[in-house]
Amino acid sequence: QAVVTQEPSLTVSPGGTVTLTCGSSIGAVTSGHYPYWFQQKPGQAPRTLIYKISNKHSWTPARFSGSLLGGKAALTLSGAQPEDEAEYYCLLLFIGAWVFGGGTKLTVL
Amino acid sequence: EVQLVESGGGLVQPGGSLRLSCAASGFTFSRNWMTWVRQGPWKGLEWVANIKPDGSEKYYVDSVKGRFTISRDNAKNSLGLQMNSLRPEDTAIYYCLGGDNNYDFWGQGTLVTVSS
Repeated sequence: QAVVTQEPSLTVSPGGTVTLTCGSSIGAVTSGHYPYWFQQKPGQAPRTLIYKISNKHSWTPARFSGSLLGGKAALTLSGAQPEDEAEYYCLLLFIGAWVFGGGTKLTVL
Repeated sequence: EVQLVESGGGLVQPGGSLRLSCAASGFTFSRNWMTWVRQGPWKGLEWVANIKPDGSEKYYVDSVKGRFTISRDNAKNSLGLQMNSLRPEDTAIYYCLGGDNNYDFWGQGTLVTVSS
């Protein structure tokens, strides 16, 4: 089964920009993996930020954006806010199953 | 307003069984893939299983194949997960997910603890 890789932790300054990435152990991430991005804060259920590479929900803050970058899926946060401190997970589709990445703990400091 | 409400969690001994349910409302349940995701203690998220809108296709993570069965009742807007031969490593919060884009909405989860 494929392994989905994410940075274990990242730090961004308030107002700064940071990019989280999501890679696959068996090759480049493409549109066929339908990347999703989720945000989870302590004690809460996750919520979906981005679906199918770059699509946003009505509740997704405009400062978040998704893309494919250098063979990986990417989540870019532009203008970080203290409330963006959270765990971020990506999800990719492989043949017959979906696989989550291990998560990135984002600190806004 | 979309709601996904899981139920059926609890404490079960290793080797035991449990059935989870998810009651859905606020979206067209019968047209959407539905999914179970779990999160073990101090762990990340793990995709468990999903089911096609008409129930004709079901997919599972390798670790639960042959033990878990996902099901749905479109007349009742209900999703199920029958869990048999439970192991301590199945201990987790189990979330129900659905929506027009597969993973739009999450329930609050139900806790399953497998322990003697």
